Amino acid sequence: QKEVEQDPGPLSVPEGAIVSLNCTYSNSAFQYFMWYRQYSRKGPELLMYTYSSGNKEDGRFTAQVDKSSKYISLFIRDSQPSDSATYLCAMRVGSNYQLIWGAGTKLIIKP
Amino acid sequence: EPEVTQTPSHQVTQMGQEVILRCVPISNHLYFYWYRQILGQKVEFLVSFYNNEISEKSEIFDDQFSVERPDGSNFTLKIRSTKLEDSAMYFCASSERLPTVDEQFFGPGTRLTVL
Repeated sequence: QKEVEQDPGPLSVPEGAIVSLNCTYSNSAFQYFMWYRQYSRKGPELLMYTYSSGNKEDGRFTAQVDKSSKYISLFIRDSQPSDSATYLCAMRVGSNYQLIWGAGTKLIIKP
Repeated sequence: EPEVTQTPSHQVTQMGQEVILRCVPISNHLYFYWYRQILGQKVEFLVSFYNNEISEKSEIFDDQFSVERPDGSNFTLKIRSTKLEDSAMYFCASSERLPTVDEQFFGPGTRLTVL
């Protein structure tokens, strides 16, 4: 069983739509959960960082963590064409700092 | 805004040759990382480095790999004898490791092609 599962997409939605991106994981020891955005031929850029369960909001972005279901989500409101990118979830246990990554979901926002 | 830089952006080498990938982390960061991403696959952790020594490494980081901080600004990844399967994007990252958040800032990557 893979540690972190993420649908690679592509996910194509019209501009202005609400986007929902998800990851599931198997290791219950994960405590820190991150969403990165990666544009083509660029390095990952951190969008959201969450510790343990709950919600976190930053502008148009909301991250949710449900540890009981081992499920994390990223919501993007009022999506823009500039949001078109690959979104990667990453997570780690508390005792070390190596990030374990999902495969990334390619998101396309159509004008 | 401070950023992580990496050189070269693309490196082509022959199988069996040694390569050195270079990174300049953000200046006040003390923790450094290398990750790789084979085309079409997940990002994979290689190694983390603090206080001039390796703090964590993955199974991928075998004896063919080494890291070094040769001066106060550079952080390098050396692959001694490259294999075809080493072809990938290599990302350097750095962080401050604050108590409540550990944001790892990534460089743009070096694309390594082994022929």
